[in-house]
Amino acid sequence: GAGVSQSPRYKVAKRGQDVALRCDPISGHVSLFWYQQALGQGPEFLTYFQNEAQLDKSGLPSDRFFAERPEGSVSTLKIQRTQQEDSAVYLCASSLVLGTDYTEAFFGQGTRLTVV
Amino acid sequence: KQEVTQIPAALSVPEGENLVLNCSFTDSAIYNLQWFRQDPGKGLTSLLLIQSSQREQTSGRLNASLDKSSGRSTLYIAASQPGDSATYLCAVRRFGAGTASKLTFGTGTRLQVTL
Repeated sequence: GAGVSQSPRYKVAKRGQDVALRCDPISGHVSLFWYQQALGQGPEFLTYFQNEAQLDKSGLPSDRFFAERPEGSVSTLKIQRTQQEDSAVYLCASSLVLGTDYTEAFFGQGTRLTVV
Repeated sequence: KQEVTQIPAALSVPEGENLVLNCSFTDSAIYNLQWFRQDPGKGLTSLLLIQSSQREQTSGRLNASLDKSSGRSTLYIAASQPGDSATYLCAVRRFGAGTASKLTFGTGTRLQVTL
């Protein structure tokens, strides 16, 4: 597609429910990032993939958070046993890597997760 | 650890005014800096990307400057319009491949341009 696509746009989950958020990056973009944005804050890094390899997951807040990108394109962020503090907008971004040059990051519209 | 600060947190200006948004960062070993715009309930739209070797970038009414040694960037918006109302975020990317390539964001400046 022309841009980064995320689905669903909105998700309401009951506390304790598992959720899966999908990101479809720009075709050919090697790098894929997940960020979490709380209300009124800047996005915070969660995890990073280069192709199918998850190179950095240092930002995942707990072991309830899991991300995968099995074929190096679409990625899924899964949150198990959701808690109210997980309520946030989850943003996905992709960028093209040329050697060690990172081009600008392009973001999707985000998934707004509300845990009730 | 890289920290990014944006001042002011909020700004209201009348239409037509020129304005400057500020971004400062603590670690000058950056690869590039990117300015984004975020409309309420929406994702981030990239405005300008400045590589560490560059001093400024321009796009239409927007001009971004970078002073890496002092850890500062400014976004200049000329002849502001109500459609410019949004939150503006700056983000820095560190040097290095792989894990160091993540963006570190400021908390943003919420801009309102009034008629």
